Amino acid sequence: DTEVTQTPKHLVMGMTNKKSLKCEQHMGHRAMYWYKQKAKKPPELMFVYSYEKLSINESVPSRFSPECPNSSLLNLHLHALQPEDSALYLCASSPMGGAAGQPQHFGDGTRLSIL
Amino acid sequence: QKEVEQDPGPLSVPEGAIVSLNCTYSNSAFQYFMWYRQYSRKGPELLMYTYSSGNKEDGRFTAQVDKSSKYISLFIRDSQPSDSATYLCAMSLNAGNNRKLIWGLGTSLAVNP
Repeated sequence: DTEVTQTPKHLVMGMTNKKSLKCEQHMGHRAMYWYKQKAKKPPELMFVYSYEKLSINESVPSRFSPECPNSSLLNLHLHALQPEDSALYLCASSPMGGAAGQPQHFGDGTRLSIL
Repeated sequence: QKEVEQDPGPLSVPEGAIVSLNCTYSNSAFQYFMWYRQYSRKGPELLMYTYSSGNKEDGRFTAQVDKSSKYISLFIRDSQPSDSATYLCAMSLNAGNNRKLIWGLGTSLAVNP
């Protein structure tokens, strides 16, 4: 079992739906990340939160909206997604506000399918 | 040229073999080097984490970093069928709050009983 918990494990949604992905960690880490991973590809960084503030947005389309309610929780709100957004969405966390070199620890992801 | 090169395999070995996985990179400013293991339908699991050059050992796993050659390796001794997974190398700069990991493509490993 990982120390980063993601829910739901699977999600199927239509292109007009609104849904949210949830991530939780209780390791006291102060940096949290959202990644997108396609089959047979490495994870692709989407967003980074450091001390609950958005610090990196990798030019992600606005149909993806991150939120960090507190230091343990990270949400990704989804709206009007496209079929090409179908992927494994991974959450990660790292200590010390994500300073350079701190190792990132991943959850098992939410497998998202867009119909 | 990609910043990090990793042969995707697949690599197939018999149980008990020594496995060698490698990545090369082009940016000499990389300082932190990681190996992750990813099982099918799971997230990446941090295996090894190394700063700068040198060796690090953890059980059956040894990570080596050769910064002069821009080459990192992961060795798995006495490989087991449970080691069958994709192994991803990742690295990052030592630059303030730059947290972006640069990944290899991952090597798919199968250990056959």
